[in-house]
Amino acid sequence: DGGITQSPKYLFRKEGQNVTLSCEQNLNHDAMYWYRQDPGQGLRLIYYSQIVNDFQKGDIAEGYSVSREKKESFPLTVTSAQKNPTAFYLCASGESSGRNNEQFFGPGTRLTVL
Amino acid sequence: DAKTTQPNSMESNEEEPVHLPCNHSTISGTDYIHWYRQLPSQGPEYVIHGLTSNVNNRMASLAIAEDRKSSTLILHRATLRDAAVYYCILRGYGGATNKLIFGTGTLLAVQP
Repeated sequence: DGGITQSPKYLFRKEGQNVTLSCEQNLNHDAMYWYRQDPGQGLRLIYYSQIVNDFQKGDIAEGYSVSREKKESFPLTVTSAQKNPTAFYLCASGESSGRNNEQFFGPGTRLTVL
Repeated sequence: DAKTTQPNSMESNEEEPVHLPCNHSTISGTDYIHWYRQLPSQGPEYVIHGLTSNVNNRMASLAIAEDRKSSTLILHRATLRDAAVYYCILRGYGGATNKLIFGTGTLLAVQP
């Protein structure tokens, strides 16, 4: 089946450690996105990539880094520079252009910093 | 990006129609109106979108006001599985980013 997978579903890390969240898609989409969601809030865009080997900062990129070496994969690293990393992280993919194309979301990774 | 305004929460009874309103008075002529919903602890899923005309699909209907300053998502027969947060989003002309700007949405509760 086509879709987006994120792993792990739950992640715990100690303060000061970097951690990488996985996102894979087999929908053959050019564009991929990372969002962050805090309790009771909407999603906020961290980074996005419209094509392999290219990515752009979203609205809250500080303390995060990404790579896009393969079309299917868009991992997100939460660095120790992120001051408040505990949140629900969502990955999405979609066509790279057009205002009427839908985005497909993964199931999310819930990160807790201890 | 143009903003949308939605009620924080709404309630419905099972098997009754639900009308979820969205105001977008600053919408531009090229903005599409998108709706997504998010079930608890899951990623959002696409529901429907439109530009000017009313739209129907298997999940819902979208009624767009003639002046496009408001729209209504219609669930024809609510089920318990429709309990979710519903987001109304404007996707404007701004290059090829295709990014979505989420607000806080409407939390829909469905009573049996």
